[in-house]
Amino acid sequence: NAGVMQNPRHLVRRRGQEARLRCSPMKGHSHVYWYRQLPEEGLKFMVYLQKENIIDESGMPKERFSAEFPKEGPSILRIQQVVRGDSAAYFCASSPATGKGGEAFFGQGTRLTVV
Amino acid sequence: GDSVTQMEGPVTLSEEAFLTINCTYTATGYPSLFWYVQYPGEGLQLLLKATKADDKGSNKGFEATYRKETTSFHLEKGSVQVSDSAVYFCALNYGGSQGNLIFGKGTKLSVKP
Repeated sequence: NAGVMQNPRHLVRRRGQEARLRCSPMKGHSHVYWYRQLPEEGLKFMVYLQKENIIDESGMPKERFSAEFPKEGPSILRIQQVVRGDSAAYFCASSPATGKGGEAFFGQGTRLTVV
Repeated sequence: GDSVTQMEGPVTLSEEAFLTINCTYTATGYPSLFWYVQYPGEGLQLLLKATKADDKGSNKGFEATYRKETTSFHLEKGSVQVSDSAVYFCALNYGGSQGNLIFGKGTKLSVKP
């Protein structure tokens, strides 16, 4: 039973390019969450998605960032026109359902470096 | 707003020493509380959790008790091992969505042989 799969593990982009980060949730999970971890910081919530729906995007920067979770295929976090400040580790988590005290399972992360 | 505050690291201990990592929270309601562990180069793994006041979460020798009166969820282990070296994150959430967590900044633990 594969866990949450993220790819690529490492991504290097030049300033101004686009970054696409992929996340395949655990089998049977329909809820996906994206987090960003800046150096020496904790994880910050970005967005919560269900299939074909954005449920909560309160943590997403207003510009250049977007996320989707299509009916088929992985969830995608897209960052357009990347800047140095976007360099961070991006983690995806998935869970089977809502409810108090349940567990979210995290992927290994994508480490984005903007040069 | 809701927040989680952890003791600053890094924490360096010798093998078999006693570990405490302090965590306090600010919340308007009654959240669930979690400790996650992140080993080098890896994602986060749930270590333990507690969903209501006075609950004790435990796993792999680690324990934490949900204290409503002191709004705390301190992590303890009686005898640490080198393999416990990692970053530990305290977190909270409300029941609405399991993965919408508010994290502390993390505490790095290094255990020396």
